[in-house]
Amino acid sequence: GNSVTQMEGPVTLSEEAFLTINCTYTATGYPSLFWYVQYPGEGLQLLLKATKADDKGSNKGFEATYRKETTSFHLEKGSVQVSDSAVYFCALGYNFNKFYFGSGTKLNVKP
Amino acid sequence: NAGVTQTPKFRILKIGQSMTLQCTQDMNHNYMYWYRQDPGMGLKLIYYSVGAGITDKGEVPNGYNVSRSTTEDFPLRLELAAPSQTSVYFCASSPTTGASYEQYFGPGTRLTVT
Repeated sequence: GNSVTQMEGPVTLSEEAFLTINCTYTATGYPSLFWYVQYPGEGLQLLLKATKADDKGSNKGFEATYRKETTSFHLEKGSVQVSDSAVYFCALGYNFNKFYFGSGTKLNVKP
Repeated sequence: NAGVTQTPKFRILKIGQSMTLQCTQDMNHNYMYWYRQDPGMGLKLIYYSVGAGITDKGEVPNGYNVSRSTTEDFPLRLELAAPSQTSVYFCASSPTTGASYEQYFGPGTRLTVT
């Protein structure tokens, strides 16, 4: 079946540290991959996406590369800020009704 | 541009009560979805709709009903509330065109059933 596995949190980092949140997936076909971010008390917001193998999505200093050979879409940021504290969800989708979310990884950034 | 709006933001229900969660989008998206998010978990699809008058079940539809009379609105109905329905509910929409099927989310409704 289709599924998304994310590293468990919470992840606690100091400001300006390097961030990696691992995401691997199982899917048939050729899904698009997404990272969503959920700030406290809010809905999910699309952070970045990649629609085919080797594509790199990027936004607000965050990056993720669609790796078909390792079925991964790891989220990275070179220097995190306190304002990046949130829950991050990896997701895959390859049809309007076939969208699968990981369980989320909470990131805490300390000043 | 308001995007996806949901009402109410919070609600407490007693067991056996009924309520409707409202969802409206102003992006002219054909596809709309209802998800629930339980603590520490990802989102699970309850129902979805591909257009006005067309709805279908997702992964966890039991205890819920939906209707889609217009492109903009997609209400979710809980008929006999149970404690297991305590959750945060998110409505989402996505455009018909484009290869990525990215979804746009509302702010959520936090529901407690006691």
